[in-house]
Amino acid sequence: EIVLTQSPGTLSLSPGERATLSCRASPSVSSSYLVWYQQKPGQAPRLLIYGASSRATGIPDRFIGSGSGTDFTLTISRLEPEDFAVYYCQQYATSPWTFGQGTKVEIK
Amino acid sequence: EVQLVESGGGLVQPGGSLRLSCVASGFTFSTYPIHWVRQAPGKGLEYVSGISSTGTSTYYANSVKGRFTISRDNSENTVHLQMGSLRPEDMAMYYCAKAPYWGQGTLVTVSS
Repeated sequence: EIVLTQSPGTLSLSPGERATLSCRASPSVSSSYLVWYQQKPGQAPRLLIYGASSRATGIPDRFIGSGSGTDFTLTISRLEPEDFAVYYCQQYATSPWTFGQGTKVEIK
Repeated sequence: EVQLVESGGGLVQPGGSLRLSCVASGFTFSTYPIHWVRQAPGKGLEYVSGISSTGTSTYYANSVKGRFTISRDNSENTVHLQMGSLRPEDMAMYYCAKAPYWGQGTLVTVSS
């Protein structure tokens, strides 16, 4: 199965700062099947990015997905108060689907 | 718009059974595989099970193999997850998914 490793585990930043989240895949995964979700307490995961770099409907352009193969990145260019949450990467190229362990973006 | 609506969660005793349902709309249901993912309280996301578009192929995580059964009814746009021999560690929010879209989840509590 494909293992996804996210780093860092926690990111402490202030509103207005840039957040860079990493997701590494082993073995490699097709970009077409790499997605990013945002999850806030008590809510279902919300799709942010699909196909590694395409924003889902209604997602602000401060969310930027990039990468291919084994290294993927989610960048939040300028953090807004509502962006503090947990972020997961996921692959659905092969069964079983696998997930990263999540990166928590918290207010510094 | 893709919509997935789960139901059937609730409180069940250890060793008990529960049947989850997922009703889908907004896409041609019979042409897509459907999956279940769960999230225990305060934990990450765990893949549980999946079923092919025709229902002929199924996949189960090792943690539920032999206890859970996934099925689908393409005439009703519905997928079921029959859960048996439930354990405290099965307690979680269960999400139905058609990649990359998810439902809002249904909560399963396993407790005596």
